[in-house]
Amino acid sequence: AQSVTQPDIHITVSEGASLELRCNYSYGATPYLFWYVQSPGQGLQLLLKYFSGDTLVQGIKGFEAEFKRSQSSFNLRKPSVHWSDAAEYFCAVGLSGGGADGLTFGKGTHLIIQP
Amino acid sequence: GAVVSQHPSWVICKSGTSVKIECRSLDFQATTMFWYRQFPKQSLMLMATSNEGSKATYEQGVEKDKFLINHASLTLSTLTVTSAHPEDSSFYICSAPGFPQSETQYFGPGTRLLVL
Repeated sequence: AQSVTQPDIHITVSEGASLELRCNYSYGATPYLFWYVQSPGQGLQLLLKYFSGDTLVQGIKGFEAEFKRSQSSFNLRKPSVHWSDAAEYFCAVGLSGGGADGLTFGKGTHLIIQP
Repeated sequence: GAVVSQHPSWVICKSGTSVKIECRSLDFQATTMFWYRQFPKQSLMLMATSNEGSKATYEQGVEKDKFLINHASLTLSTLTVTSAHPEDSSFYICSAPGFPQSETQYFGPGTRLLVL
């Protein structure tokens, strides 16, 4: 069965600083990979996804992620965070692009932005 | 983009009662929807796959008689928590594959259930 590990439960970053959230997955084949953000009172919003092709994917809100097959990783990055980026971030893996199967989520990383 | 709604957003009920949660795809049709459960400060756990016109598929360890799922139309799936108990208190979230980008799931805002 597939699994997702987000090793950092909390991360604190100063506003304007760069950000990297780690995600490692376990799956026999190339999975479909997603990053979602969850803000209080709001549903999960898709930041970006990787299915195939270019291993560096661009998402919304200035986020990007890089798929590294050798490391089974799909880390999320942002060059300069804003206070509004404070939220819970979830990495997820799907077997088939998410359409026919549910997603397996990591435990999430809580991002705190310091002024 | 694809929008998924849930109703209610908040529900408080007494132990032993049943609670129904609705999940709707507002601007697209969804033959499949997914139900997740999220405990405080924890990840989302897939509970079941809701299939329009057929029985739901439950994940291992999820009681199908406790969590009844009905997918009566292409835009509506309901989750009924039967004979709810305090341990059923949680955040329930549904999702649906978008159209035409069915490889991406769109999530509802969630329903917080508190059983007293």
